[in-house]
Amino acid sequence: AQSVTQPDIHITVSEGASLELRCNYSYGATPYLFWYVQSPGQGLQLLLKYFSGDTLVQGIKGFEAEFKRSQSSFNLRKPSVHWSDAAEYFCAVEDTGFQKLVFGTGTRLLVSP
Amino acid sequence: SQTIHQWPATLVQPVGSPLSLECTVEGTSNPNLYWYRQAAGRGLQLLFYSVGIGQISSEVPQNLSASRPQDRQFILSSKKLLLSDSGFYLCAWSPTGRGEQYFGPGTRLTVT
Repeated sequence: AQSVTQPDIHITVSEGASLELRCNYSYGATPYLFWYVQSPGQGLQLLLKYFSGDTLVQGIKGFEAEFKRSQSSFNLRKPSVHWSDAAEYFCAVEDTGFQKLVFGTGTRLLVSP
Repeated sequence: SQTIHQWPATLVQPVGSPLSLECTVEGTSNPNLYWYRQAAGRGLQLLFYSVGIGQISSEVPQNLSASRPQDRQFILSSKKLLLSDSGFYLCAWSPTGRGEQYFGPGTRLTVT
């Protein structure tokens, strides 16, 4: 079965600094991969998705992610973090054939002044 | 454009009382529908999903049930709530055959 690992439970970044959130997946074929963001008390918002093609995908809010098959990774990046980016971030992979997503446990991003 | 609604937004219920949470989707047809629960400080747990009217798949045996009486309506129910049912309940939809899911605003359930 597919699985997703987000090794960092919490990350603190200074405002204006760059950000990289790690995501590793376990899947035999080319996966469908996603990043979501959740602000406190709200639902999840889709940041970006990877299905195929260019391994560097652009998303909303200035985020991007790079698919690296050799490392089974799909890390999320942002060149300059804003205080409003403080939230919980979830990586997910599609459980192909079952039309379900498998989510990681999330990484909470804190932004310091 | 598509929108997804959940209600109520918050709910406080005593142990042993029934539950009904509703989710509706607008602007699409024949979506896949999903119910998740998120306990405090925890990740997402898929509870149920549905690929069509009357078709419900249960992921975790528990005190809850789901129904899909109409194409774009998904209901989460319980006959008798437990303290452990407290949490943040999220409904989501996806276009049939595609992976990405779109989430509703959630319902905060507190069982006292």
